[in-house]
Amino acid sequence: GEDVEQSLFLSVREGDSSVINCTYTDSSSTYLYWYKQEPGAGLQLLTYIFSNMDMKQDQRLTVLLNKKDKHLSLRIADTQTGDSAIYFCAINTQTYSGAGSYQLTFGKGTKLSVIP
Amino acid sequence: EAGVAQSPRYKIIEKRQSVAFWCNPISGHATLYWYQQILGQGPKLLIQFQNNGVVDDSQLPKDRFSAERLKGVDSTLKIQPAKLEDSAVYLCASSRSFSLGREQYFGPGTRLTVT
Repeated sequence: GEDVEQSLFLSVREGDSSVINCTYTDSSSTYLYWYKQEPGAGLQLLTYIFSNMDMKQDQRLTVLLNKKDKHLSLRIADTQTGDSAIYFCAINTQTYSGAGSYQLTFGKGTKLSVIP
Repeated sequence: EAGVAQSPRYKIIEKRQSVAFWCNPISGHATLYWYQQILGQGPKLLIQFQNNGVVDDSQLPKDRFSAERLKGVDSTLKIQPAKLEDSAVYLCASSRSFSLGREQYFGPGTRLTVT
């Protein structure tokens, strides 16, 4: 099946940049996502990138996609204590039933800790 | 716009008991998903509905799990009987359609503990 890998932990100092990395195996994925999960809360979509793009910037967030290496990264500039959370990389994969329907396959998440 | 609602937020049951979770998606969203998130892992899709029909339930353990979305709006997920390994957070999500790229909006989840 499809596989999405992430490192489990990242610790940065407040004000520094954070870079969270993700690798995946399904080269047919056309949308790749970053979700944020705070304690006791559901998942919040942060940003996504279409597979024909190399980079997408959205305020403090920069997503880089290397399709050749199947590598996705999320950079958070000027990281704040409020950014402490678990960040999930997710790719869209076609469901087993096909029929043009797609599901998200998630990595295990990277826990970002921001040190004041 | 109201988000995805789920209840209860927490549930503790003993193994072999039954439990049901409820989800109310965002108004107008045709597609509804149930995910299981075991501690330390990412969410795993259990079942996907388009209106009141099942699109994909290939990862649903059908011997003990069932789900329905009778009127194409609210949905319930049931576990009967529960096992210890069912302890997890059950997330409901919805999107306007199941088409490629449609954003999924997640509810806060129901944390199930099976003792």
